[in-house]
Amino acid sequence: EVQLAESGGDLVQPGGSLRLSCAVSGFILRRQYISWVRQAPGKGLEWVAVVYGAGSTFYADSVTGRFNISRDTSTNTVSLQMNRLRVEDSGIYYCARWGTSCGSRNCYDYWGRGTRVTVSS
Amino acid sequence: AIQLTQSPSSVSASLGDRITITCRSSQGIRDDLNWYQQKPGKAPKLLIYASSTLQGGVPSRFSGSGSGTDFTLTISNLQPEDFATYYCLQDFNYPHTFGQGTKLEIK
Repeated sequence: EVQLAESGGDLVQPGGSLRLSCAVSGFILRRQYISWVRQAPGKGLEWVAVVYGAGSTFYADSVTGRFNISRDTSTNTVSLQMNRLRVEDSGIYYCARWGTSCGSRNCYDYWGRGTRVTVSS
Repeated sequence: AIQLTQSPSSVSASLGDRITITCRSSQGIRDDLNWYQQKPGKAPKLLIYASSTLQGGVPSRFSGSGSGTDFTLTISNLQPEDFATYYCLQDFNYPHTFGQGTKLEIK
């Protein structure tokens, strides 16, 4: 069974750092794309970052230079290191698999339940 | 980054009604457009991928269409469990982007 489970959310001051983790199971991590998607309180969904292939990454403009996504295939974990945090980074952070269960297409087929990040003084 | 514009931002409808949500892309994205449903406190759920293909287990009252820059999600015969927020997502290129969402409420 495919599962993703986020952890690491917390209250942090502006300018601080936080590391989120996404533990995956039920599939081979190195063969799949894993993204982070966030949702500010009462707002819509925002795509944040992806890790795939041999460790390639891509980021949304809003987090480039501040966030770093990585993965550890030995522990089946994807991490999101968040630095220089801003109030507007607050929200629920989901990890999601851009998987291969949609015929010949990729799609965000499995999601975790999310972890809450609050950036406030 | 590609921008997706959804309309309306909210819609009120009654049980049994049919509603349509549109999603317009700032550039052509072939049919690389997916639709998600989200209920409060829950992760998004995939409804439709590749513009018009229903994900397994999704009721046939949901349908999608479009290619290039203009896409629609139609829900027929609204059921109580359909009242939620709907998002389009483009995965044509990075960064992937979502529409701003459409909240479907009971009239």
